[in-house]
Amino acid sequence: KNQVEQSPQSLIILEGKNCTLQCNYTVSPFSNLRWYKQDTGRGPVSLTIMTFSENTKSNGRYTATLDADTKQSSLHITASQLSDSASYICVVTVSGAGSYQLTFGKGTKLSVIP
Amino acid sequence: NAGVTQTPKFQVLKTGQSMTLQCAQDMNHNSMYWYRQDPGMGLRLIYYSASEGTTDKGEVPNGYNVSRLNKREFSLRLESAAPSQTSVYFCASSLESNNSPLHFGNGTRLTVT
Repeated sequence: KNQVEQSPQSLIILEGKNCTLQCNYTVSPFSNLRWYKQDTGRGPVSLTIMTFSENTKSNGRYTATLDADTKQSSLHITASQLSDSASYICVVTVSGAGSYQLTFGKGTKLSVIP
Repeated sequence: NAGVTQTPKFQVLKTGQSMTLQCAQDMNHNSMYWYRQDPGMGLRLIYYSASEGTTDKGEVPNGYNVSRLNKREFSLRLESAAPSQTSVYFCASSLESNNSPLHFGNGTRLTVT
């Protein structure tokens, strides 16, 4: 069964500190991996999309890495801000036979405190 | 651009009642989706529409129907609501490519008593 596992479930960090969120997947055949940020009471917003050939992708203070061999991805947040408090969702796309399907992780809830 | 707009934001139904969740996008996207989000679970696809005039079942379609009214609008109908349908419902849209990001609305929080 295609699965996407995220860790930790939740994380509390001090403002200004860095943090790294993890995503492991067993999806096959892999097409791409996405990270979304979801603020409380809002819909998810896309941060990055990485295909098989991309190892690293940045979006401001957010840097995602992908190791397709070990089926692992991480999202690194640099110099955290209070506005980074949100859930971060890892999503893996499976494609084949002219269609594609997204498998969502359960998310990591990040709290940034002053 | 408003992006993806969902109405209503909140709704309470009694078991057996029906309702329609509305979704509209102004990005000229071909593909539209309905997801539900439940505590402790990842988002799950209910139905999707790859283009105007087509709809397909997702992972959890039972108890729901959809209508792709035109390119902009994609509605989700609950004919006879059940407590198991208590959830937050998200509409999303995207370009056709599987490397295109999904653009989500801000959700409808539905409670069925």
